[in-house]
Amino acid sequence: DTAVSQTPKYLVTQMGNDKSIKCEQNLGHDTMYWYKQDSKKFLKIMFSYNNKELIINETVPNRFSPKSPDKAHLNLHINSLELGDSAVYFCASSQGPGGNFEQFFGPGTRLTVL
Amino acid sequence: RKEVEQDPGPFNVPEGATVAFNCTYSNSASQSFFWYRQDCRKEPKLLMSVYSSGNEDGRFTAQLNRASQYISLLIRDSKLSDSATYLCVVGREKLTFGTGTRLTIIP
Repeated sequence: DTAVSQTPKYLVTQMGNDKSIKCEQNLGHDTMYWYKQDSKKFLKIMFSYNNKELIINETVPNRFSPKSPDKAHLNLHINSLELGDSAVYFCASSQGPGGNFEQFFGPGTRLTVL
Repeated sequence: RKEVEQDPGPFNVPEGATVAFNCTYSNSASQSFFWYRQDCRKEPKLLMSVYSSGNEDGRFTAQLNRASQYISLLIRDSKLSDSATYLCVVGREKLTFGTGTRLTIIP
């Protein structure tokens, strides 16, 4: 019974390609997030959606486009992949928005751009 | 200055010892404070929230000093299973994560 699931777990691709990562949560939470954890293990928020509405959009290149078809899903599409996009991408969810709620993380998608 | 600063370690500590981590944060308007734990190649998971009066959960004690903008985590009687990276997390409109302190418990 996985609470927050992501697919794929590993993604290896060439520079310039377009790829998508999918995320689903079965916790009934209203808020979902995408984080990027780089090689130095720094975990940084990219986007947050609350009830399918974008509420946080950090300084992320336009090549990254999130999409939330419903409250339980938040996908991330990346165009024209670059070497610097190599990282672990974590999806997370919480009961509500803001910094007061515990966030539950998915297992991560390890993206390698060659 | 980073929003949340932690000593990256590594801390190599013998089993049964007590170990303490510190963390400082820059935004005095921060409202919520947490310690998350991240095992190698795994996702972060909440270890405990940190309250102004200090709080304890078994072998773990967390303290918050708002005046000094400082958070601490104390682990008593450390176990091999405590080996992980401990992330200091500060919240307001979003969560901001420190880069983590790596702890290895040695048998």
